[in-house]
Amino acid sequence: GNSVTQMEGPVTLSEEAFLTINCTYTATGYPSLFWYVQYPGEGLQLLLKATKADDKGSNKGFEATYRKETTSFHLEKGSVQVSDSAVYFCALSGETDSWGKLQFGAGTQVVVTP
Amino acid sequence: KAGVTQTPRYLIKTRGQQVTLSCSPISGHRSVSWYQQTPGQGLQFLFEYFSETQRNKGNFPGRFSGRQFSNSRSEMNVSTLELGDSALYLCASSLAAGLLNEQFFGPGTRLTVL
Repeated sequence: GNSVTQMEGPVTLSEEAFLTINCTYTATGYPSLFWYVQYPGEGLQLLLKATKADDKGSNKGFEATYRKETTSFHLEKGSVQVSDSAVYFCALSGETDSWGKLQFGAGTQVVVTP
Repeated sequence: KAGVTQTPRYLIKTRGQQVTLSCSPISGHRSVSWYQQTPGQGLQFLFEYFSETQRNKGNFPGRFSGRQFSNSRSEMNVSTLELGDSALYLCASSLAAGLLNEQFFGPGTRLTVL
C-alpha cells in the first residue's frame, strides 16, 4: 500500500537558517503530494501541494518539488522565522477514487530559536 | 467565512462508554473526512463522506462509525471505548470529492479515555 516516510525530528534551527525536511513516498500510480503544517493546539493547514511529476509547490517561502524518479517531495525554506516553529506533515493522495483519503508521514517537529 | 468547527473540543470518557463527535464543514463544502491522531500511530484516516455516502473507510474496527447529514454536517461514533482510543480526532472538509479540492481541517476533538 501507499506510505510516506519523513525525517524524524525535532529539527532545531536558528532564525534565518535554511530548512530542509526530507519526505519520500511509496505509491502505485501517480499520487498527489502535500505538505501540511500544524501549529500548537490547532488543526492542520495545507502549506503546499503538487499534483504531477516535476511540479513545484510553493507558499509563504516554502517550496517542494515532486520528484518521481527519486519518489521524493522534500520541503525547503531559505530563511526560517520563529513563527515557523510547528510540526510539518508530508502526505499523499493516491487512487482516483480516494481523493479524500490522505496518507500522512509521522510528522517532523521544527523548532526555530531567536 | 467560518472554518470547520468540531464539538466538543475536549472530552473525557471511561472505558466501555460510547462517544459521538460532531463536525460542521465550511459552508458549501460537501465532503468530510475524519482522521485520528495519536503520538504512536500518527495521523490515520478513518472515513470520508460525500453527499451522505461513505466513500472510503480506513482500517479501523467496527466500533468506529460515522454518518453525514443532508446539510453536510458529520458525526462519528465510537462505541465500547478502549484506552487506546484516546486521541485527537480531526475532521476535514472540502468542496467536493476531488483531487484539487483542498482539505480544510478543524481544530480537533481531544478524547481522553480513562
